Amino acid sequence: KAGVTQTPRYLIKTRGQQVTLSCSPISGHRSVSWYQQTPGQGLQFLFEYFSETQRNKGNFPGRFSGRQFSNSRSEMNVSTLELGDSALYLCASSLGPSPGGKNIQYFGAGTRLSVL
Amino acid sequence: QKEVEQNSGPLSVPEGAIASLNCTYSDRGSQSFFWYRQYSGKSPELIMFIYSNGDKEDGRFTAQLNKASQYVSLLIRDSQPSDSATYLCAVSGGGTYKYIFGTGTRLKVLA
Repeated sequence: KAGVTQTPRYLIKTRGQQVTLSCSPISGHRSVSWYQQTPGQGLQFLFEYFSETQRNKGNFPGRFSGRQFSNSRSEMNVSTLELGDSALYLCASSLGPSPGGKNIQYFGAGTRLSVL
Repeated sequence: QKEVEQNSGPLSVPEGAIASLNCTYSDRGSQSFFWYRQYSGKSPELIMFIYSNGDKEDGRFTAQLNKASQYVSLLIRDSQPSDSATYLCAVSGGGTYKYIFGTGTRLKVLA
């Protein structure tokens, strides 16, 4: 069974540009979560999608947005890039919501974004 | 107060010793607890999950949960240099049902 696939693996952009990252979850998984990881802040939750609906959202500005398609693939978009957006962006998939939050998340390899 | 707290380390242990990693959380309603290992430059990999108070063992790894004291720990027995990594604690099932991660503890196993 294929794991979580994130594309592209590396991106270099300049300030003010926008970027779109893609995530294909494990087959059969319907929930996708996105995280930003930086050395100083650790893993910060961006948002979670299930059945094409955003279920949860972290404390990020509106420049960060996402969506999920009917095949459970997800994209996240960052507009008007800032230097501070340089980070590793991780996608995690799970089967979906479960009582007590017992859904196990599996991570993709990540997309490393550098903003110059 | 951070929602999930971990000592950033590094925690250095000699090869063959027991490494003990700790995590505390603030949301008393949390129900599910996870430990991920992350090697430098790689993505997090799940190594243990625990839902009930007490101990759960899997090979060299033991997760311990104490909901009354709001802490969860990970013990690594017979530590190996290949265990050197950052260990992330994650908590879920609280009010928002999000996964909340700690900032991780860096473990160094000395050969």
